[in-house]
Amino acid sequence: EAQVTQNPRYLITVTGKKLTVTCSQNMNHEYMSWYRQDPGLGLRQIYYSMNVEVTDKGDVPEGYKVSRKEKRNFPLILESPSPNQTSLYFCASSPFLGGATSGANVLTFGAGSRLTVL
Amino acid sequence: RKEVEQDPGPFNVPEGATVAFNCTYSNSASQSFFWYRQDCRKEPKLLMSVYSSGNEDGRFTAQLNRASQYISLLIRDSKLSDSATYLCVVTPRSSNTGKLIFGQGTTLQVKP
Repeated sequence: EAQVTQNPRYLITVTGKKLTVTCSQNMNHEYMSWYRQDPGLGLRQIYYSMNVEVTDKGDVPEGYKVSRKEKRNFPLILESPSPNQTSLYFCASSPFLGGATSGANVLTFGAGSRLTVL
Repeated sequence: RKEVEQDPGPFNVPEGATVAFNCTYSNSASQSFFWYRQDCRKEPKLLMSVYSSGNEDGRFTAQLNRASQYISLLIRDSKLSDSATYLCVVTPRSSNTGKLIFGQGTTLQVKP
């Protein structure tokens, strides 16, 4: 089944304890992206990757790192989590992004990771 | 001003009603437009892409108005199962950018 898999789905941690949220897709998609969703703010883009070894900042990258060493994986790293990073996180992928060919821009999302930082 | 704006609602409508949502965008160079549906804190799923000429998928019709910089979603004959949050998504510039901008979402509640 074509899917985007995120882990963990739920996590409660403490301030300063490094954590990684994994994201893996089995569709050979070039584009991957991380979002956080907060009440009243909608989905905001953290980082994205157009292809292997190519990553770039979204709108809210502070406090996060990513890497894209393989096409299928795009982990989100919180080096020193803080309470303001408590949120619902989504990873997504698409065949590629760009241009007006809308089919290529269609995102497939993972089920989400609910993170609480105490 | 936000790059993509939606009325958060909620829109409360009876079954069978027709309801329409708008989404405005600020960047006139925006390239691609989509409507996604999100059920109660689950992952968003594509509802439909929005084409320049407008497009229809069953009870759903999407329109793009470039002159006024908005897209719309019309739902006819609302069903209880249409209750969800509808997210407007815009690619803000032309090709080779990885940025996607999401609206805050519009919540629809269809009542029996």
